[in-house]
Amino acid sequence: DAKTTQPPSMDCAEGRAANLPCNHSTISGNEYVYWYRQIHSQGPQYIIHGLKNNETNEMASLIITEDRKSSTLILPHATLRDTAVYYCIVSRTNSGGYQKVTFGIGTKLQVIP
Amino acid sequence: GAGVSQSPSNKVTEKGKDVELRCDPISGHTALYWYRQRLGQGLEFLIYFQGNSAPDKSGLPSDRFSAERTGESVSTLTIQRTQQEDSAVYLCASSLGTRGSSNQPQHFGDGTRLSIL
Repeated sequence: DAKTTQPPSMDCAEGRAANLPCNHSTISGNEYVYWYRQIHSQGPQYIIHGLKNNETNEMASLIITEDRKSSTLILPHATLRDTAVYYCIVSRTNSGGYQKVTFGIGTKLQVIP
Repeated sequence: GAGVSQSPSNKVTEKGKDVELRCDPISGHTALYWYRQRLGQGLEFLIYFQGNSAPDKSGLPSDRFSAERTGESVSTLTIQRTQQEDSAVYLCASSLGTRGSSNQPQHFGDGTRLSIL
């Protein structure tokens, strides 16, 4: 699976948009970009994923560059409850239904009142 | 409940004892994963189940670690003769595991926090 690079930490003011970048320059054509977050003392929570088109759901938006070498997770109106570690992962599910993923240390997002 | 459930949520035991950790995946999810997360670290893959079989157990750190799954449902991770370096949060995740479907998010439980004294 392709490796990802994220900044170790970011701050965001409450109510503002949080834009979390991720570089994945070695991504291959059949790998998806996934974002998870981990709030203290909880398991990781799936947020969103995409292949090449931008995606939006009730939690966030995912913007993937045309060359697919980087992406940005956008939390449109950050709240204090969005303070967490955010993981960007690129992976694919193989023909047997197996998705091997590697979670690095992610980006620690601190939302400030 | 609708999510992945793990028990116990916390376990404190003495060095040398055996421990058993349980995971109840989301109903209908055929793929199940175990991970270990040491304090301040990312997730470390341990083992993957498809149904009751474990095609990838390459992440198990030693032969003291074993896991099984029955009924394509509940899984248990067993650590024998625990050592202090086994102290960590052990996380379980499940996904649909549908063959031929290339995008299947994993859904995680809140983990078992294991402390070895």
